[in-house]
Amino acid sequence: AQSVTQLGSHVSVSEGALVLLRCNYSSSVPPYLFWYVQYPNQGLQLLLKYTTGATLVKGINGFEAEFKKSETSFHLTKPSAHMSDAAEYFCAVRYNNNDMRFGAGTRLTVKP
Amino acid sequence: NAGVTQTPKFQVLKTGQSMTLQCAQDMNHNSMYWYRQDPGMGLRLIYYSASEGTTDKGEVPNGYNVSRLNKREFSLRLESAAPSQTSVYFCASSVGDWGIAEQFFGPGTRLTVL
Repeated sequence: AQSVTQLGSHVSVSEGALVLLRCNYSSSVPPYLFWYVQYPNQGLQLLLKYTTGATLVKGINGFEAEFKKSETSFHLTKPSAHMSDAAEYFCAVRYNNNDMRFGAGTRLTVKP
Repeated sequence: NAGVTQTPKFQVLKTGQSMTLQCAQDMNHNSMYWYRQDPGMGLRLIYYSASEGTTDKGEVPNGYNVSRLNKREFSLRLESAAPSQTSVYFCASSVGDWGIAEQFFGPGTRLTVL
């Protein structure tokens, strides 16, 4: 079965530090790739998505992600963390119509 | 423009009771979805409706039924609730069910089954 792996269920960074959240997927066929963010007691919001074309994708709130086919990865980064970035982040992969798989999530904590 | 709305926000049931979770979207989307979210497991698809009049099983459909009442509304029914169904339930919608279509999520329903 297709799977999505997010390395690290919890990531803690200091305010102003680099944020790196890792996502790997299992497929030889490039899928459609998404990153969602979930703030406490809310639904998921789309941060960014990769479809085709440029492998570096820019999203909202200064986040970006790079699709690396050879590594089957789609890691999320932000150069400088802000306190408001504290949330849970989900990587999602769509292989076929409606076969959308989510990773288990990474909770980001930002320390002052 | 409310987006995706869900009712109720919270619910406590006893084992064996039934209930229906309601979902509505005002974005004229064709496709709608029901997910459950459990700690450490991300979101898992229960059922989806690619378009009005169609429904299909997702990854974890057992113990649930759905109804696509019209283009706007997609309900999820638990006929006989079990403690294993304690979870947070999210409804989502998208323009279509094809690859790049972004899913928009409701705020969730937190369900506890005692």
